[in-house]
Amino acid sequence: NAGVTQTPKFRVLKTGQSMTLLCAQDMNHEYMYWYRQDPGMGLRLIHYSVGEGTTAKGEVPDGYNVSRLKKQNFLLGLESAAPSQTSVYFCASSYPRGGLQETQYFGPGTRLLVL
Amino acid sequence: AQSVTQLDSQVPVFEEAPVELRCNYSSSVSVYLFWYVQYPNQGLQLLLKYLSGSTLVESINGFEAEFNKSQTSFHLRKPSVHISDTAEYFCAVSDSSNDYKLSFGAGTTVTVRA
Repeated sequence: NAGVTQTPKFRVLKTGQSMTLLCAQDMNHEYMYWYRQDPGMGLRLIHYSVGEGTTAKGEVPDGYNVSRLKKQNFLLGLESAAPSQTSVYFCASSYPRGGLQETQYFGPGTRLLVL
Repeated sequence: AQSVTQLDSQVPVFEEAPVELRCNYSSSVSVYLFWYVQYPNQGLQLLLKYLSGSTLVESINGFEAEFNKSQTSFHLRKPSVHISDTAEYFCAVSDSSNDYKLSFGAGTTVTVRA
């Protein structure tokens, strides 16, 4: 049982390049989330999904797109990377019982540097 | 959406001393409260949570937090810290006004010294 895994662990991009971050979970969780972590700002929700084929915007969605084609995978895309997207990205998943308040399980993170 | 304030960004503490990390949130509506811990170069792990019932909740490694509705606080305490408690601690809150999505505080870095 690997829990939540993220690929890649670290990436350097040039401004304007695109990339996709992959999140996978093997806990059969319905809900999945993408956060970014910046110093002094905690974690901010980018996008989330409440089930296969569904996505919704979080607090800071601009510049990102997501897809949830399979229940176990949640992809985060950057179409045209900007230096402001330099951050650590965390994926999380949860199995809700009547709401989104169930415990979230986090992946190890992806460090992204945009030059 | 909830606003979560962690009043201390850095807390240095000596081994075996007590520590308290303060967390306040903005709304007094029915809330769910969490403390997550992030060890260096790792993801976040749930430390403890309050959903309902007793206002004092405990973790398996000696931390406890008390939900205080009147003061909208959820402070985290440990009576005696270990070197291994060095980490960043995040308070998080969810409630119905934001579809129960988590709102995180900015984090408190605890550094335990021998």
